[in-house]
Amino acid sequence: LAKTTQPISMDSYEGQEVNITCSHNNIATNDYITWYQQFPSQGPRFIIQGYKTKVTNEVASLFIPADRKSSTLSLPRVSLSDTAVYYCLVGDAGNNRKLIWGLGTSLAVNP
Amino acid sequence: DARVTQTPRHKVTEMGQEVTMRCQPILGHNTVFWYRQTMMQGLELLAYFRNRAPLDDSGMPKDRFSAEMPDATLATLKIQPSEPRDSAVYFCASGLVQRISSYNSPLHFGNGTRLTVT
Repeated sequence: LAKTTQPISMDSYEGQEVNITCSHNNIATNDYITWYQQFPSQGPRFIIQGYKTKVTNEVASLFIPADRKSSTLSLPRVSLSDTAVYYCLVGDAGNNRKLIWGLGTSLAVNP
Repeated sequence: DARVTQTPRHKVTEMGQEVTMRCQPILGHNTVFWYRQTMMQGLELLAYFRNRAPLDDSGMPKDRFSAEMPDATLATLKIQPSEPRDSAVYFCASGLVQRISSYNSPLHFGNGTRLTVT
């Protein structure tokens, strides 16, 4: 089962770009990389998913190098409301029950 | 915007009492998950249903926990008898898995039931 490693915590300031890197050295060929965001007293919320290269949506960008052993979630111009825990997960299509949720990265955005 | 609904949001009970948590998955989703979240362990998978059939409950203490899906609109997680170590936030999530899928279907989580057992 693919396991991920990401920083425990990060600090940033409003308006800055935040990059959270996740390592997944034993990612399998069929695995996708998915990021979730969790606010206090809420369940995790899907942010973005990718397989290779770069994916961008209205919330974030996901950069995946050719070897796919790591990925970087990029949050442009963060605001206070982006303060949350961010989880990086890898898993194959249709097999969400095998996802291993670590403790995530606690991002604190300061004014 | 469709949501997963969980009730109750908070539950305080005494050790030994039965606790029932309920979840209404998103209409049309064919997979349901129960997770437990604590500060120390993070999110742990307790049970997994696909098309209402329980496919994986290996993460659940069998002697006291049980999970069911009596119909497509309701999933339940019961603890009997409850113990202080069961205190945690319990999340239900649903998703859509297709036979031929080109991507990993994201999970949609409810806002959880915060359980405190004294």
